[in-house]
Amino acid sequence: TQLLEQSPQFLSIQEGENLTVYCNSSSVFSSLQWYRQEPGEGPVLLVTVVTGGEVKKLKRLTFQFGDARKDSSLHITAAQPGDTGLYLCAGERSNYQLIWGAGTKLIIKP
Amino acid sequence: DAGVIQSPRHEVTEMGQEVTLRCKPISGHNSLFWYRQTMMRGLELLIYFNNNVPIDDSGMPEDRFSAKMPNASFSTLKIQPSEPRDSAVYFCASSYTGGSQPQHFGDGTRLSIL
Repeated sequence: TQLLEQSPQFLSIQEGENLTVYCNSSSVFSSLQWYRQEPGEGPVLLVTVVTGGEVKKLKRLTFQFGDARKDSSLHITAAQPGDTGLYLCAGERSNYQLIWGAGTKLIIKP
Repeated sequence: DAGVIQSPRHEVTEMGQEVTLRCKPISGHNSLFWYRQTMMRGLELLIYFNNNVPIDDSGMPEDRFSAKMPNASFSTLKIQPSEPRDSAVYFCASSYTGGSQPQHFGDGTRLSIL
């Protein structure tokens, strides 16, 4: 059972376009983390959102946690080739347990 | 600062052989995780250690898999005997214990069982 659904699974767009990745669940999480993974490397944390409705910005990346803390989105403005990678969301269920989404593979074409 | 260090980076072996994967967590981190990543199943938690003690091993596929953490700076994941379906990328991650703590991942071991 996939407790955390990510969409889309794959996205290929041109440099300069905007995009949004979604992470949805029927479960409530105490926090939600977004990671980016590049080929041959492990995932690297981008941001953690904790409060319902919270919005965090990381340069051209905007992360939002849903009011009910069941869903989250990642919006990238003016995507660049350096944004290419696998984006993973992970919901925190306990002090250690993260529920991972399947990931969104993003390719930004120059 | 040194990150999580995993070895080997790549392992190719024949089915039936014993495979041992190694991990050195970040100094000071007291939580350690072993994950397996495949295209089909994504990132799966295999086992979680806190202060060197296994807390949750419900993700370990079967008795062929075992993990140890003899001290705070070293952990191993062993597969014996290995099977082709064990082929995957295995990641070790460490963190401080507590809510909302980020997990720091190593670069993984790409395992191929022929």
